[in-house]
Amino acid sequence: QVQLQESGPGLVKPSETLSLTCSVSAGSISGYYWSWVRQPPGKGLEWIGYIHYAGSTNYNPSLKSRVTISVDTSKNQFSLKLNSVTAADTAVYYCARGSLDFDLWGRGTLVTVSS
Amino acid sequence: DIVMTQSPDSLAVSLGERATINCKSSQSVLHSSNNKNYLAWYQQKPGQPPKLLIYWASTRKSGVPDRFSGSGSGTDFTLTISSLQAEDVAVYYCQQYYNTPPRTFGQGTRVEMK
Repeated sequence: QVQLQESGPGLVKPSETLSLTCSVSAGSISGYYWSWVRQPPGKGLEWIGYIHYAGSTNYNPSLKSRVTISVDTSKNQFSLKLNSVTAADTAVYYCARGSLDFDLWGRGTLVTVSS
Repeated sequence: DIVMTQSPDSLAVSLGERATINCKSSQSVLHSSNNKNYLAWYQQKPGQPPKLLIYWASTRKSGVPDRFSGSGSGTDFTLTISSLQAEDVAVYYCQQYYNTPPRTFGQGTRVEMK
C-alpha cells in the first residue's frame, strides 16, 4: 500500500531554513493533493499547507510568509521549506495525503530548532 | 479562522463502556451546496501519526471498527466509541476543512482506561 516517508535534518539553527522531503512509495504522487502538518512536542496539530501534484499551493496564513511547498513528480516527492525558524518551530513534521481530510500520513520527523 | 473546541480535554472510561467526545466549531461547517459537514475525526496513539477515522462528519473510513461513529451538523459534532477497547486509548482530534485557508484542528481529547 502507499506509504509516505519524511526525511531531512533533525536539527536546524535559529534564523536558518528548515527543509524536509516526503517520499511517496508504492503509489503515484499524481492525482492527489499533499499536505504538511506539524505537532510541537506534547501539543496539538497545525496544518502548514498543501500542494496539488500539478503545483498549485495553499498555505496557512500564519506561516505563509515563511513557507514554500514544492513537488517533484519525477521523483514522486514533495518538499517543505520553512525559513527564518525559531524555537517555536520545533515540532514533529508530518507529510500527509489530502487537502480536505488527510487519509494517509507519514510517521513524522522531529525537527529541533536550536543553536 | 474557524476555531475548533473539543470537550472534555480528557476522559476515563471503563472497558466496554461508551466514550463521547464533543467538538464545536466557531462557525458552521455545513456546506449548503451539497449538505455535507466538512469535518473529520482522527485518532493518535503515542509515538504514531494521526489516523483518519471519520470524514464528512459521519462517514467511517474503510477498516475502522464500527464501534466508532460520528454525528452532528452545523457547529456541534460528536465522536462516540460505543464500547471502549484497550486499543482505543489515544488522543482524538476533530478537524474542519470547510474554510480555506487554513484547515484547523481541535485541541485534542485524551481517552484513558478507568
